[in-house]
Amino acid sequence: EAQVTQNPRYLITVTGKKLTVTCSQNMNHEYMSWYRQDPGLGLRQIYYSMNVEVTDKGDVPEGYKVSRKEKRNFPLILESPSPNQTSLYFCASSFSLAGVGEQYFGPGTRLTVT
Amino acid sequence: KNEVEQSPQNLTAQEGEFITINCSYSVGISALHWLQQHPGGGIVSLFMLSSGKKKHGRLIATINIQEKHSSLHITASHPRDSAVYICAILPNRDDKIIFGKGTRLHILP
Repeated sequence: EAQVTQNPRYLITVTGKKLTVTCSQNMNHEYMSWYRQDPGLGLRQIYYSMNVEVTDKGDVPEGYKVSRKEKRNFPLILESPSPNQTSLYFCASSFSLAGVGEQYFGPGTRLTVT
Repeated sequence: KNEVEQSPQNLTAQEGEFITINCSYSVGISALHWLQQHPGGGIVSLFMLSSGKKKHGRLIATINIQEKHSSLHITASHPRDSAVYICAILPNRDDKIIFGKGTRLHILP
């Protein structure tokens, strides 16, 4: 089954404790992306990757890191989480965003930083 | 000013009504996406458009590139169509995707 998986689905952590949210897709997609969703602000792009070893900042990259060592995986790293990073996070993948560009979204990770 | 504006923000309608959700944007784009977010939070891609019109079941999406405007239509609406519908654009200038704030649709039985 074609899917994007994220782990964990729910996480409560404390300020400053490094964490990683994993994202994996089984569709051989080149484009992968991380978004956060906040009430009143909607979805905003954090980082995206056009292919292996190619990553770029989205609109709200501060406080986040990503890596793309393999095509299928695109982990999101919070080196020192802060309460303003409490949010609902989505990973997504597609062949591209234009052309054949349907996006597949993961189920979301609800992160709370206290 | 947001680069992507959706209207209305909220819409309540009776089952069976024809629904239109609008998306206007202010920059040149290479593609526009319509997404559906269910009450449980999951997001599904409905359409990707770069021109013209697409249809899938009771859903129709149109785009007018010159007017920088897209519409999502739902025919014979049903309570299961209740969700947040989100418009997103891929500007010509780069590969970042920009989202509208969404339209919350509630279909009453």
